[in-house]
Amino acid sequence: GESVGLHLPTLSVQEGDNSIINCAYSNSASDYFIWYKQESGKGPQFIIDIRSNMDKRQGQRVTVLLNKTVKHLSLQIAATQPGDSAVYFCAESGAGSYQLTFGKGTKLSVIP
Amino acid sequence: EAQVTQNPRYLITVTGKKLTVTCSQNMNHEYMSWYRQDPGLGLRQIYYSMNVEVTDKGDVPEGYKVSRKEKRNFPLILESPSPNQTSLYFCASGRQVGNTEAFFGQGTRLTVV
Repeated sequence: GESVGLHLPTLSVQEGDNSIINCAYSNSASDYFIWYKQESGKGPQFIIDIRSNMDKRQGQRVTVLLNKTVKHLSLQIAATQPGDSAVYFCAESGAGSYQLTFGKGTKLSVIP
Repeated sequence: EAQVTQNPRYLITVTGKKLTVTCSQNMNHEYMSWYRQDPGLGLRQIYYSMNVEVTDKGDVPEGYKVSRKEKRNFPLILESPSPNQTSLYFCASGRQVGNTEAFFGQGTRLTVV
């Protein structure tokens, strides 16, 4: 199947700065996108999602941007905190699909 | 508390000895799925189920079986485990995929020697 990938495997940011995690996808039929956060020793935890009919969606301190033209997804975290340190995964599914395809993850490290 | 519960959390077994990893969710979700997570490969889907008695293969189903006799349970069965099945396994559930997120269990770390 087509893959979902990430531009950067690791990202280090200073506490209080904004973080941007990127994700490229190749399946033009992808209809639904999710960002997950995985802390060490835990299962992935839902952060935010977006459907293909939207360009932007905001949550608490997080924003997801979707650029369908270049098949690019990003997660922005405002005022990054030490508790944000984790591995972040993007995932996608196609319209009518029951399969989630995950990217390989980006490790975010927050420097106090 | 809404949750997905996997058991066991850790398991070391020998090649060829059948094992079952259980998964249970208390959210009345229709959709359940199993993933394995390996370094550098991310999360890969093994099997999924859209409802009771409805299961389908994911991306890496070889060597695994599943069953969905009840809505809340979705066990993963390794009939004859091999060392290449050493991995971290996650069960997930959701109301449906494509419209809502999946909730993940805490994971089962399996080592096959």
